[in-house]
Amino acid sequence: GENVEQHPSTLSVQEGDSAVIKCTYSDSASNYFPWYKQELGKGPQLIIDIRSNVGEKKDQRIAVTLNKTAKHFSLHITETQPEDSAVYFCAASIAEKLVFGKGTKLTVNP
Amino acid sequence: DAMVIQNPRYQVTQFGKPVTLSCSQTLNHNVMYWYQQKSSQAPKLLFHYYDKDFNNEADTPDNFQSRRPNTSFCFLDIRSPGLGDAAMYLCATSRDYSGGVRTFGSGTRLTVV
Repeated sequence: GENVEQHPSTLSVQEGDSAVIKCTYSDSASNYFPWYKQELGKGPQLIIDIRSNVGEKKDQRIAVTLNKTAKHFSLHITETQPEDSAVYFCAASIAEKLVFGKGTKLTVNP
Repeated sequence: DAMVIQNPRYQVTQFGKPVTLSCSQTLNHNVMYWYQQKSSQAPKLLFHYYDKDFNNEADTPDNFQSRRPNTSFCFLDIRSPGLGDAAMYLCATSRDYSGGVRTFGSGTRLTVV
C-alpha cells in the first residue's frame, strides 16, 4: 500500500522567513496530494492541493510543487506569520484511500 | 455555509460505557469518513460510507461501529470504550472517491475515565 514520509517533524522559523515541508510517497498511482493545517483542538483544514497532472500550484503565500518522477511534493510558505503556527499534514490519495504523513509542527517566532 | 458539524466537541465517558458521536453534513457529499487521531499522530481511517455502502478498514477494532441513516448524518458507536480509545474523532466528507477533496469537521475529543 501507499506510504507517505514527511520531513521535518518540527520546524521553527522567524516571522517573515520561508518554511518548506517535504513529503515523499511510494505508490506511483497516487494522483491527488492535499496539504492540511491543523490547529490545536481543531480538525484538519485543507490549505492547498495538487493533482498529478500539475507540477506547481500557488495560492498567495502558499505554494505546492510536485515531482512525479521522484515521487515527492513540497509545501512552501513565504513571509511566515505567527498565525501560520500549526501542525501541517501532507497526504497522498488513490481513489478512496488517503494516506497521511506524520505531520510537521511549525512554529513561527515573532 | 456548507459544512461538516460534529457533536459534541468534548465527550467524557466511563470505561466500558457505550458512547455515540455524531456527524452531520450540509454538503450533500456521497462519502462520509470516520478517523481516529491520537495525540501527535496523523488521522487514522476507521471506516467510510459511500452512500449506504459501508467499508471497514481491516484493522478497525470490532468495538467500533458506525451507522449512516441518511445522506446527512453519520454516527460512530464505541460499544465498550477503553482507556486506549481516548482520542480526537474526526468526521470527513467527500463528493466521491476519485481524488475527492475531503472536508473535515472540528472533531470530538473523547476522554475515557
